[in-house]
Amino acid sequence: DGGITQSPKYLFRKEGQNVTLSCEQNLNHDAMYWYRQDPGQGLRLIYYSQIVNDFQKGDIAEGYSVSREKKESFPLTVTSAQKNPTAFYLCASSPRTGVNPYEQYFGPGTRLTVT
Amino acid sequence: GQNIDQPTEMTATEGAIVQINCTYQTSGFNGLFWYQQHAGEAPTFLSYNVLDGLEEKGRFSSFLSRSKGYSYLLLKELQMKDSASYLCALRNSGYSTLTFGKGTMLLVSP
Repeated sequence: DGGITQSPKYLFRKEGQNVTLSCEQNLNHDAMYWYRQDPGQGLRLIYYSQIVNDFQKGDIAEGYSVSREKKESFPLTVTSAQKNPTAFYLCASSPRTGVNPYEQYFGPGTRLTVT
Repeated sequence: GQNIDQPTEMTATEGAIVQINCTYQTSGFNGLFWYQQHAGEAPTFLSYNVLDGLEEKGRFSSFLSRSKGYSYLLLKELQMKDSASYLCALRNSGYSTLTFGKGTMLLVSP
């Protein structure tokens, strides 16, 4: 079964700690994305990557970092510099070729709570 | 930049038809997506419009008018499981990124 996995589903951290959220896909998609969603809000783009070893900042990149060392993996680190890290984080990927190359497929999300 | 407006909430009755509107202001875009998101879950793809007109897919249809900066999602024969948030998103020119609206929460009652 092809898909996107994110782990863990729920994550709790103390303020001041960095935390890394996992995102893995076996869809052979080139592009991957990280979004943040707050209650009653749409999705806001944090970082995206169109190919391995390359990534770009989205609209709200401050306080976050990413890496793209493998096509399948795009981990997101929430650093202590992120002022309001508590949110629902969604990872997505898209194929960039095919019938609908820009459709994004989403993982199940990680709900991060920082206290 | 992009600015996308959707109603915050809508209510409808099981078996009815509902239209969810999305208006936008943009300097350019390549297409418009509609996604469905149940509470606490991942968004799932519903439709993608590139050209003006209506795209029909079962109980769901989506319409785009580029000249009017307007799209809508039409849901027919509503079912309780259609209670969800519906997200309108623009595909940005030159990139593979999407800009999302805040979503419309639809509540379907018996």
